[in-house]
Amino acid sequence: DGGITQSPKYLFRKEGQNVTLSCEQNLNHDAMYWYRQDPGQGLRLIYYSQIVNDFQKGDIAEGYSVSREKKESFPLTVTSAQKNPTAFYLCASSIQGGTGANVLTFGAGSRLTVL
Amino acid sequence: QKEVEQDPGPLSVPEGAIVSLNCTYSNSAFQYFMWYRQYSRKGPELLMYTYSSGNKEDGRFTAQVDKSSKYISLFIRDSQPSDSATYLCAMSPSGSARQLTFGSGTQLTVLP
Repeated sequence: DGGITQSPKYLFRKEGQNVTLSCEQNLNHDAMYWYRQDPGQGLRLIYYSQIVNDFQKGDIAEGYSVSREKKESFPLTVTSAQKNPTAFYLCASSIQGGTGANVLTFGAGSRLTVL
Repeated sequence: QKEVEQDPGPLSVPEGAIVSLNCTYSNSAFQYFMWYRQYSRKGPELLMYTYSSGNKEDGRFTAQVDKSSKYISLFIRDSQPSDSATYLCAMSPSGSARQLTFGSGTQLTVLP
């Protein structure tokens, strides 16, 4: 089945530690995205990538980093510089261009808790 | 003021009821409108997709867009307990997902 796999599902981190969230897709989508979801707020875009080896900051990129070395993979690192990292993180993908390019397919999410 | 406003609920209805979920927005450039359904501890999944104004129906679900009022709605007929989820509206001025703006979601519970 085609889809997006995020891991781990739950993650606990001590303050000052970096953590990396994995996102893998087998949909052959060119574009991939990372969103953060907090209670009472809409999804907020952290980073996105439209092509391998290229990525752009979203609306709340501070304290996060990404890489896009393969089309299928778009890992997100939450660094110690992120002031309030406890959140639900969602990875998504879409086709690039044409009808439906603004339709996202989401993974199941990763919940990060900072202790 | 947020660009997209959505009543967070929670909303509880009895099984079989007609449910109306709504979003208002301020950006008149929005042309593409979507509804996503998100079950607890899962990622959102696309439910309805409409372009510009008008209605779109898919089974028990109807999406309605009124651009003159900057108001979109999702109606669920004959609601089922399996419809219990959070419903997110999303909208964009273009065909690019990069420009999507999401509402904060409405939590719906359908009681058997």
